[in-house]
Amino acid sequence: GENVEQHPSTLSVQEGDSAVIKCTYSDSASNYFPWYKQELGKRPQLIIDIRSNVGEKKDQRIAVTLNKTAKHFSLHITETQPEDSAVYFCAASGDTGANSKLTFGKGITLSVRP
Amino acid sequence: NAGVTQTPKFRILKIGQSMTLQCTQDMNHNYMYWYRQDPGMGLKLIYYSVGAGITDKGEVPNGYNVSRSTTEDFPLRLELAAPSQTSVYFCASRKPGQIYEQYFGPGTRLTVT
Repeated sequence: GENVEQHPSTLSVQEGDSAVIKCTYSDSASNYFPWYKQELGKRPQLIIDIRSNVGEKKDQRIAVTLNKTAKHFSLHITETQPEDSAVYFCAASGDTGANSKLTFGKGITLSVRP
Repeated sequence: NAGVTQTPKFRILKIGQSMTLQCTQDMNHNYMYWYRQDPGMGLKLIYYSVGAGITDKGEVPNGYNVSRSTTEDFPLRLELAAPSQTSVYFCASRKPGQIYEQYFGPGTRLTVT
């Protein structure tokens, strides 16, 4: 089955700096790669996602890049703010039926220092 | 829409007791999922369903059972609670087709002592 690895496990940045979080996946059949943000005590919420036919996607201060050949994808957060402090999970899946199952990485705790 | 709702929010069980975690969604989503989240371990899939009457095992199904008699409801049953089932449980749902986002419920924090 799919295996998603996420590194580093913790990341601390100064407010205003950029943060990059990387994930690797193992199953070349995976074609959907979401990033979820989870604040303390809250549910995971989708912040951005990318499909395998796209190399990069951007939404305001966040962007995701995908390298299918190397089987890795990254989350980029620019101009970080204290409210970006949270746990971020990457995941991978196929699209339909049994392949719609998401396999999550273990998460990274991002701390933004004011 | 209320989205995905879960009850209860918190529960403490004694070893060997049973309980059902409820999950309901009002978005007419065919696909539903149950995850458990342990500290530092991400989310692990327990069971999932692609429609009413259809369920299948995920990565960590032992000790759990599910049913899916309606599109809206996807309850998770713990038959003989064990300390290893202490966790936060999330239910999620999504549409089939081109929109892949999974919507999560608020979670149930379960402690087995």
